[in-house]
Amino acid sequence: AQKITQTQPGMFVQEKEAVTLDCTYDTSDQSYGLFWYKQPSSGEMIFLIYQGSYDEQNATEGRYSLNFQKARKSANLVISASQLGDSAMYFCAMREGRGTYKYIFGTGTRLKVLA
Amino acid sequence: GAGVSQTPSNKVTEKGKYVELRCDPISGHTALYWYRQSLGQGPEFLIYFQGTGAADDSGLPNDRFFAVRPEGSVSTLKIQRTERGDSAVYLCASSQGLAGGSDIQYFGAGTRLSVL
Repeated sequence: AQKITQTQPGMFVQEKEAVTLDCTYDTSDQSYGLFWYKQPSSGEMIFLIYQGSYDEQNATEGRYSLNFQKARKSANLVISASQLGDSAMYFCAMREGRGTYKYIFGTGTRLKVLA
Repeated sequence: GAGVSQTPSNKVTEKGKYVELRCDPISGHTALYWYRQSLGQGPEFLIYFQGTGAADDSGLPNDRFFAVRPEGSVSTLKIQRTERGDSAVYLCASSQGLAGGSDIQYFGAGTRLSVL
């Protein structure tokens, strides 16, 4: 069965520093998608970045990059130059590439950026 | 609308009552998902629609939960005989419904349900 594991319940980072949020996954599918979402205290889930299982390059979106290591089944999120507004919950998710395409989410990492 | 809209934003009800939660997806999105999120947890899949039909309802916890999407746009999640354990944030998401893993879901702000 598909599974997402986020082992860091909470992280602190100094403003302007980079931080890595860990995510490992488990699937027997060859085709799948990996996603990161940000959930601020307001509650809305905000899409950040996507990585396809067949993508050879790591995905980047502005200050966000996804460190994709397929053999290790890891999809860590790297946030560069942290800002106070980055303080939020971060969820890693996986979508099956076939079947019903439902997402599976991890338990999240709460990031606090310190001034 | 520009984004996924969920109403109401908050719903307080008494144990045993019936509630309806509404989701208005992004225009043109054929896929619609419902999730439940308990405090400190990630979203838990409930049901997925492709068009008007429920493609996967394996996440619905029991027969008190039901969802419809009669015209392939707005969806309603219905909970009968509510229990205190149903208290959670109910999230709706929509996507283009692309095949493969690349279909990106966009979420609404959620409905916070409190069952007293």
